[in-house]
Amino acid sequence: DVKVTQSSRYLVKRTGEKVFLECVQDMDHENMFWYRQDPGLGLRLIYFSYDVKMKEKGDIPEGYSVSREKKERFSLILESASTNQTSMYLCASGTGNQPQHFGDGTRLSIL
Amino acid sequence: QKEVEQNSGPLSVPEGAIASLNCTYSDRVSQSFFWYRQYSGKSPELIMSIYSNGDKEDGRFTAQLNKASQYVSLLIRDSQPSDSATYLCAVGISSGSARQLTFGSGTQLTVLP
Repeated sequence: DVKVTQSSRYLVKRTGEKVFLECVQDMDHENMFWYRQDPGLGLRLIYFSYDVKMKEKGDIPEGYSVSREKKERFSLILESASTNQTSMYLCASGTGNQPQHFGDGTRLSIL
Repeated sequence: QKEVEQNSGPLSVPEGAIASLNCTYSDRVSQSFFWYRQYSGKSPELIMSIYSNGDKEDGRFTAQLNKASQYVSLLIRDSQPSDSATYLCAVGISSGSARQLTFGSGTQLTVLP
């Protein structure tokens, strides 16, 4: 089974802090994705990566950056957290035409 | 804008009935189609994949794809209260350097005991 592990299930941070969300997959997938999910807005793609050190913006990249130094690890960075970034963050990995597999999610609250 | 449309529901069916969930998509070159189940507060879980026209059955679940009509559906037979969840339709597209998924907004299903 594919295993996608997110570092935290719940996280509380303060406005202006730099926040790191970590994601690790164990299936050697070349593609990794970060989404956020908000009530009424569905799943929205923030960034994705198709190879080590390669990244592309998704639909809502503003206020976020990403890092992929190793194939199995994909990090989402909130440069200066704001209250409108309070959300559920979901990491996923996949390969080719196959489905994406999701981690358990991180529920992030920015106070 | 590539879109995936689902009836948001909520959809309620009695236990033992067939639940029918529908999804339409706008991008004619889409090649892969998925259904995810998401329980409240949890992450999406893959339940069905379908790539070619016709029906695909897995246990109580049947996915149906009609590329000419740009339509994909999910049937759940003998619905159980444990099937109560939000069901997300996802369509695979090639965009940029990786295959991405476009998700519908989900259909909330409630199975009544």
